[in-house]
Amino acid sequence: DAMVIQNPRYQVTQFGKPVTLSCSQTLNHNVMYWYQQKSSQAPKLLFHYYDKDFNNEADTPDNFQSRRPNTSFCFLDIRSPGLGDAAMYLCATSRDTGGRIYEQFFGPGTRLTVL
Amino acid sequence: QKEVEQNSGPLSVPEGAIASLNCTYSDRVSQSFFWYRQYSGKSPELIMSIYSNGDKEDGRFTAQLNKASQYVSLLIRDSQPSDSATYLCAASSGGSYIPTFGRGTSLIVHP
Repeated sequence: DAMVIQNPRYQVTQFGKPVTLSCSQTLNHNVMYWYQQKSSQAPKLLFHYYDKDFNNEADTPDNFQSRRPNTSFCFLDIRSPGLGDAAMYLCATSRDTGGRIYEQFFGPGTRLTVL
Repeated sequence: QKEVEQNSGPLSVPEGAIASLNCTYSDRVSQSFFWYRQYSGKSPELIMSIYSNGDKEDGRFTAQLNKASQYVSLLIRDSQPSDSATYLCAASSGGSYIPTFGRGTSLIVHP
């Protein structure tokens, strides 16, 4: 089945220790997104790629970086995690389904804990 | 600034009842609207999309869109305890691939 896969599902790191979260998709969607979601809050967009074009949200901290080496894969790097970065990190994909409408499909998420 | 507003709830309904979830949006040029279901600790799952005024039905779910009043609603008929989740509303303008999400409404269906 076509899907969005995230690894790992759970990540525990220490304060300041870099982590990398990965996302892969078999949907062949050209748009990929990284969201951060904290409890009882809306998903907050960190980055997105339209094809190879990278877009960084204005309020995304410099501590967060992203890479998309090819259409199928995307990575989120957190260079020096702080306690405030503990959250669910969601990868999503979309494409133009016709009429310039983009439906997003989410991966299962990575729950990040910072000790 | 684009905003999507939802009542955080919780909305509590008995099993078998109709659950009505509402959402308003501020951007008048919004054209695409999405409802996601999110179980606790899980990721959002797309359950309905609607683009035209009126109703769109899919099984027990009906999405309703009124662009003049800038609101979208989701009706869940014959609610089941398994429908207990947070429902996120999202809106995007024509051609935009960046939706604006609401904070979600928590739905509790009790037996």
